[in-house]
Amino acid sequence: LAKTTQPISMDSYEGQEVNITCSHNNIATNDYITWYQQFPSQGPRFIIQGYKTKVTNEVASLFIPADRKSSTLSLPRVSLSDTAVYYCLVGDIHGGSQGNLIFGKGTKLSVKP
Amino acid sequence: KAGVTQTPRYLIKTRGQQVTLSCSPISGHRSVSWYQQTPGQGLQFLFEYFSETQRNKGNFPGRFSGRQFSNSRSEMNVSTLELGDSALYLCASSSSGTPPYFGPGTRLLVL
Repeated sequence: LAKTTQPISMDSYEGQEVNITCSHNNIATNDYITWYQQFPSQGPRFIIQGYKTKVTNEVASLFIPADRKSSTLSLPRVSLSDTAVYYCLVGDIHGGSQGNLIFGKGTKLSVKP
Repeated sequence: KAGVTQTPRYLIKTRGQQVTLSCSPISGHRSVSWYQQTPGQGLQFLFEYFSETQRNKGNFPGRFSGRQFSNSRSEMNVSTLELGDSALYLCASSSSGTPPYFGPGTRLLVL
């Protein structure tokens, strides 16, 4: 099971771009990289998922280098409402089983005015 | 599509009691997993059900159990509640090719 390492916390200001990097040195061939956002007392919300190179959706971009041993979640022009904990997960999600998903401590992002 | 729903949203119990939490997955999702989240331990995997069968189980005592019905709805039960069982219990559903989608959670307080 791939273990992930993320910074415990990050601070930013409104309007800035925020990049959160996740290390996953033991990622397996079938593993995908998935990021979730969680607000206090709510369930994690799916942000983005990728396998390699770059993925972009309406809220974020995910950059994955060729060796796939790390990934970077990029949040463009953050606002106060982006203050949350962000989790990086690595696992064979497309295999259907959720049993191999291990949530780390996540990165607590604080956005200031 | 409606998201994952969990009931009740909040619950207060006393030590020694038992509790049953319910989860309705996204329509078409056949896999349902349960997680416990506490400030000290973070998000921990409890178990996963697929087609009414337990597919995976985390490292929790036997007091924690679950089941899944033919319509994919799932329940989890905690017997002989302890103070340490106070937590946010999260349910997530998925289908082949999709990441897990989480419900809003049930906040359980054991007094």
